[in-house]
Amino acid sequence: SAVISQKPSRDICQRGTSLTIQCQVDSQVTMMFWYRQQPGQSLTLIATANQGSEATYESGFVIDKFPISRPNLTFSTLTVSNMSPEDSSIYLCSVSDRVAEAFFGQGTRLTVV
Amino acid sequence: TQLLEQSPQFLSIQEGENLTVYCNSSSVFSSLQWYRQEPGEGPVLLVTVVTGGEVKKLKRLTFQFGDARKDSSLHITAAQPGDTGLYLCAGAGTSYDKVIFGPGTSLSVIP
Repeated sequence: SAVISQKPSRDICQRGTSLTIQCQVDSQVTMMFWYRQQPGQSLTLIATANQGSEATYESGFVIDKFPISRPNLTFSTLTVSNMSPEDSSIYLCSVSDRVAEAFFGQGTRLTVV
Repeated sequence: TQLLEQSPQFLSIQEGENLTVYCNSSSVFSSLQWYRQEPGEGPVLLVTVVTGGEVKKLKRLTFQFGDARKDSSLHITAAQPGDTGLYLCAGAGTSYDKVIFGPGTSLSVIP
């Protein structure tokens, strides 16, 4: 299983600002995944981050709001842009293995005020 | 769009009771997984089921995969307070594929 580190672990941000979340994996992986977990809810996939190409976004999520970088096979960033209180969530980075089992970091708890 | 449903959404039981959580899919997944998430942590994989009709046991937890590979259940025997958490079923396609999560079942086991 992969070890995934995310930072920051939590942040409180002003509305209208942007926050970049970093995700580091201890091994090389082809795809990394970003999820959002709103309070009291399950995980919703935001996008798949592919190394060497643009991220693939799920329905309801757009690049302008959630730009993603994937500079190498062990690292990715997710930016939450022009934040509003509705963006308050836990953001989770994930990788999956050869049998598509998902491994997660501890997540980033974002509060927008 | 592949969707997963779970029931019940919330469950509060006394220590020592048994419980079952159900997961149903609108389509077939290559594998179906169960995760448990505690507050402040990411989900942790409990089990993966791949074959229709498959049954897996993990101590007091029993997982079943339906014959048609579109539904699954998680049964906990003699629940303990340490079982408290959010139980998520999830489906995936091929190797290294994205994982789609169900809405979750929040379990509270009261001592």
